[in-house]
Amino acid sequence: DGGITQSPKYLFRKEGQNVTLSCEQNLNHDAMYWYRQDPGQGLRLIYYSQIVNDFQKGDIAEGYSVSREKKESFPLTVTSAQKNPTAFYLCASSIGYSPTEQYFGPGTRLTVT
Amino acid sequence: QKEVEQNSGPLSVPEGAIASLNCTYSDRGSQSFFWYRQYSGKSPELIMSIYSNGDKEDGRFTAQLNKASQYVSLLIRDSQPSDSATYLCAVLNTGTASKLTFGTGTRLQVTL
Repeated sequence: DGGITQSPKYLFRKEGQNVTLSCEQNLNHDAMYWYRQDPGQGLRLIYYSQIVNDFQKGDIAEGYSVSREKKESFPLTVTSAQKNPTAFYLCASSIGYSPTEQYFGPGTRLTVT
Repeated sequence: QKEVEQNSGPLSVPEGAIASLNCTYSDRGSQSFFWYRQYSGKSPELIMSIYSNGDKEDGRFTAQLNKASQYVSLLIRDSQPSDSATYLCAVLNTGTASKLTFGTGTRLQVTL
């Protein structure tokens, strides 16, 4: 089955710790994205990558970092510099640069206390 | 700031009725428009994409685009309780490569 996987589904961390969220796709999509969703707010773009070894900041990149060493994988690190890390994190991918029918993984719900 | 606006709802419709969900956008040059369905606690699922003015039908769903008025709508015919979800409108803005801007979503409740 082709699709996007994210792990873990739920993640709990103490404040001050870095945490890495996994995103893997076997759809052979070129582009991958990370979004954050907070209650009552729309999805906000954190980072995106259109090709291996290249990525761009989205609208809310501060406190986050990413890598794209393989086409299938786009992990997101939430660093201790992120002031409000508790959120629902969504990874998405699309076939190419444009048009952008983006397909989402199941998400990771991160809680930082 | 390029915006996408939706009424948060909830929009309540009886089973079997037509649900009409609306979305307006501020970037006049936007070219691509998408509707996602999101069940509570789950990730968004793409249900419709539309790129040109007019209507696009897929089963019980019809997307309507009017670029002159800068709105896009989603009609759901013969609404079912399983359609109860939040519907997100997303717009590809000009000059932003593959970046989508999402609305905050409209919560739809289909009542028995």
